[in-house]
Amino acid sequence: NAGVTQTPKFQVLKTGQSMTLQCAQDMNHEYMSWYRQDPGMGLRLIHYSVGAGITDQGEVPNGYNVSRSTTEDFPLRLLSAAPSQTSVYFCASSATYSGNTIYFGEGSWLTVV
Amino acid sequence: SQELEQSPQSLIVQEGKNLTINCTSSKTLYGLYWYKQKYGEGLIFLMMLQKGGEEKSHEKITAKLDEKKQQSSLHITASQPSHAGIYLCGADADGGATNKLIFGTGTLLAVQP
Repeated sequence: NAGVTQTPKFQVLKTGQSMTLQCAQDMNHEYMSWYRQDPGMGLRLIHYSVGAGITDQGEVPNGYNVSRSTTEDFPLRLLSAAPSQTSVYFCASSATYSGNTIYFGEGSWLTVV
Repeated sequence: SQELEQSPQSLIVQEGKNLTINCTSSKTLYGLYWYKQKYGEGLIFLMMLQKGGEEKSHEKITAKLDEKKQQSSLHITASQPSHAGIYLCGADADGGATNKLIFGTGTLLAVQP
């Protein structure tokens, strides 16, 4: 079972560059989300989606865009990378919006220089 | 806004010893998740608790949500080196049973053979 798949696993960007972190799940889950993990701050919610065509902001959305054109995919776009976006990014999914097990991908390590 | 505090921040135990990690919330918990993370890897789902007084076990790990639903504990019996890692608690950010999670900053567990 693939579960939640994130690509790339590692990426180095220059300040000002744009890129997309890919997230795909094969469990037909309606709910998907993106978190970033920083030392001493735990995981913080960036954006989430309760179904195809529906997205909303989390706690730290600035500098990131998302879209959900299919149930399976939930890409995270960095519009103009900044050093403050150096972090580990995790994609997650669950069957519904509440009360179900939330599955996480293996993470994407991003460094912005 | 709701905050989760984990204690201790780090823990070193001898193999075979028992240990407890606590997660305390500033507000009532409606859904509490426990995850384990190894360095460089994703989050592995351990357990989810929703009802006050609820207790769940998996192998040598037991988690409990107290009656007032503001604290959860994770107990490991007869620890093994395979238990080493970072333990994270997560809870709904909106005070309801949604999957928009906030996380504690984690407890780093080391198990000495």
